[in-house]
Amino acid sequence: ETGVTQTPRHLVMGMTNKKSLKCEQHLGHNAMYWYKQSAKKPLELMFVYNFKEQTENNSVPSRFSPECPNSSHLFLHLHTLQPEDSALYLCASSQAVIAGGQETQYFGPGTRLLVL
Amino acid sequence: QKEVEQNSGPLSVPEGAIASLNCTYSDRGSQSFFWYRQYSGKSPELIMFIYSNGDKEDGRFTAQLNKASQYVSLLIRDSQPSDSATYLCAVKGEETGGFKTIFGAGTRLFVKA
Repeated sequence: ETGVTQTPRHLVMGMTNKKSLKCEQHLGHNAMYWYKQSAKKPLELMFVYNFKEQTENNSVPSRFSPECPNSSHLFLHLHTLQPEDSALYLCASSQAVIAGGQETQYFGPGTRLLVL
Repeated sequence: QKEVEQNSGPLSVPEGAIASLNCTYSDRGSQSFFWYRQYSGKSPELIMFIYSNGDKEDGRFTAQLNKASQYVSLLIRDSQPSDSATYLCAVKGEETGGFKTIFGAGTRLFVKA
C-alpha cells in the first residue's frame, strides 16, 4: 500500500453515462495528479493540483473534469466519454511541486475504465 | 512536446545477470530523473531517483546519469525473476517552468529462471 487509494477499481460505463473517480491520499502531501495509461503508450499526465490549485491541464478534453476540494482528495468527473477513453486512470500524490524540485510521486492502484 | 525515449523491449536476461535499461531525454534543462517499476496489473512504484551526473547505487540497483549526453540508465545486478516488470523512466525538466514530470513508455524486462 502506498497511502494512495482509488475507487472504484473497475468501471464500465456507456457513452451517455456520468461517473466519478475518487482518489484519496494519506501521506500529508500537497500535490495530486491524474494520469491516463493506455496500452503501450507512455503515462499521460492529465491534471496537476498543487495546494488545491490546478497548475496543469495537459490539453485534456472537457468531458474530463477534475475537482480537488482539499489536499487529500481528488476527483475526476466523467461524462459523454468515448470508447478511446478506455484506459487505466492513475492518481498520484507528492510533496508540493516546485520548479526544479525533486518530489517523488506515489501512485494509487488505478481505476480500470471501459467505455462501451 | 519534450520527450523521454526508452526501448520498449522486451529485454530478456538470465537469472543472476546484469540487466541494463536505458533512457534518453530531449529537454536539456532537465534536472530530476526517476526510475519506476510497474508490475503487470499494478501501479508504478519508485525504485530510484538521481539528480547529479555519475552513479548512484542502492542495493542491487545503480542509476547512471550523463546530462551532457542526455542519457540516464538503470543497472540491475544479480537479476531475479521477481525483477520481471516494466521499468519507467521519468524526467522532470524545464518545460512549464520546471513543474512537469514526463514519463517514457517503459521497457519490459524478463528475467529467466
